[in-house]
Formats: sequence, C-alpha cells, structure tokens
Amino acid sequence: GAVVSQHPSRVICKSGTSVKIECRSLDFQATTMFWYRQFPKKSLMLMATSNEGSKATYEQGVEKDKFLINHASLTLSTLTVTSAHPEDSSFYICSAHGTSGPTDTQYFGPGTRLTVL
Amino acid sequence: GQQLNQSPQSMFIQEGEDVSMNCTSSSIFNTWLWYKQEPGEGPVLLIALYKAGELTSNGRLTAQFGITRKDSFLNISASIPSDVGIYFCAGRRNNNDMRFGAGTRLTVKP
Repeated sequence: GAVVSQHPSRVICKSGTSVKIECRSLDFQATTMFWYRQFPKKSLMLMATSNEGSKATYEQGVEKDKFLINHASLTLSTLTVTSAHPEDSSFYICSAHGTSGPTDTQYFGPGTRLTVL
Repeated sequence: GQQLNQSPQSMFIQEGEDVSMNCTSSSIFNTWLWYKQEPGEGPVLLIALYKAGELTSNGRLTAQFGITRKDSFLNISASIPSDVGIYFCAGRRNNNDMRFGAGTRLTVKP
C-alpha cells in the first residue's frame, strides 16, 4: 500500500514551453501533497504544500506564477512549470500525506526528470 | 531552510560491515523518518518513529528516536551491495512541516 505515482518520469522540452507533472496517490487519499525539487547530489528542497481544494502554500523564493500547483482531488495534484527555462531543469518529486493509520506519513513519488533545452 | 544536521556526508565501507548515521537538530520534532533514495528515483520510506525513545527495526535496519526529540540515528547491520544509495533523515513537527537532512551517501564495496 501507500503508492504514489508521477507522470511523466522524464520530459525534455524547449525553452518557453510549459510542462505539467502529475502526482497521484494510488491506494490512499492524500489530504496534503508536497512538491520538492532536487539538484544533483543535493537534498530535497520543498517548493510548495498543497491541500485538496485550496490554494497551495509556496516556500519563500518559489514563484507561484511560474510553478502552478493544482490539487483538485484527494488523489491528484499537478505541478505546471510555465515558460520553462534551462535553469528550471531539475528532478521534481512529489509526496503525499495520508489521512490516517499506516499512511500517517509522507510517501514519495518516483520523481520527474525535467530537461529544458 | 534546512535545520537538520546529518552525518556523515558519505561513507565507503566493505560488504558485511555495520553502518551508523545520525541526524541532530536544534529544534524538537514529533516524528523522525528515514528514507533511502537510489539514483533517478524518489525516496523510499525505511522507518518511521513517532515517540521519543522509540527503537524500531526493519530487517537489518534499526533506528531510534532520541529522548530529547532533537536527534535520531539509523544503523544498518551486515551491509550488502544493494544498500548503496543516499539515506535521508527527516524530522516532522506537524503534517505540513517536514525538514530533511542533507543525506548520507553510502558506498558498499563487495
């Protein structure tokens, strides 16, 4: 149980285009989902926290207009990188927090490798 | 920002050796978690600790939640090559506030 999926796993796009990444909790309902960014050989940096049905809370320094987050249901959150530039290239990881019981912790998706040319 | 001090940063050990890593903080956490991340993948939860003093095992892994609630350690016994990866500690105060250590990169030589 407690499986989180991400799609796509890898994406290459041209500079100026927008990219949408999906995060799904497959076997539990996630009241809260988190989006992280990870640079090579570095730890995870929290970008934003999203609660189902409400606006995401962004960490300091993260542009909310550039990284659009939608948490439309208890099993799906999306991150859209708008007008992507090469410096947005990174590994993006989502995690989902369950509502109760054994899922009372954060479970991570497998990550999405974004490369902006 | 990052509030957890995780050490060591990296370890190079021989297969069969035991491994120990730890995380400390100046702040109190309600939950400590240990994750393992392999290249190109997301972190996978290894052990979750919910009470101060709690000692929990998962196979060859053992982790403890420090009495002061400001630290935790992870031990791996009899390491094997597939233990290779980056191990992250994470401390959580509430559902929306979780902090990560910088990671310990483990290399196991056969």
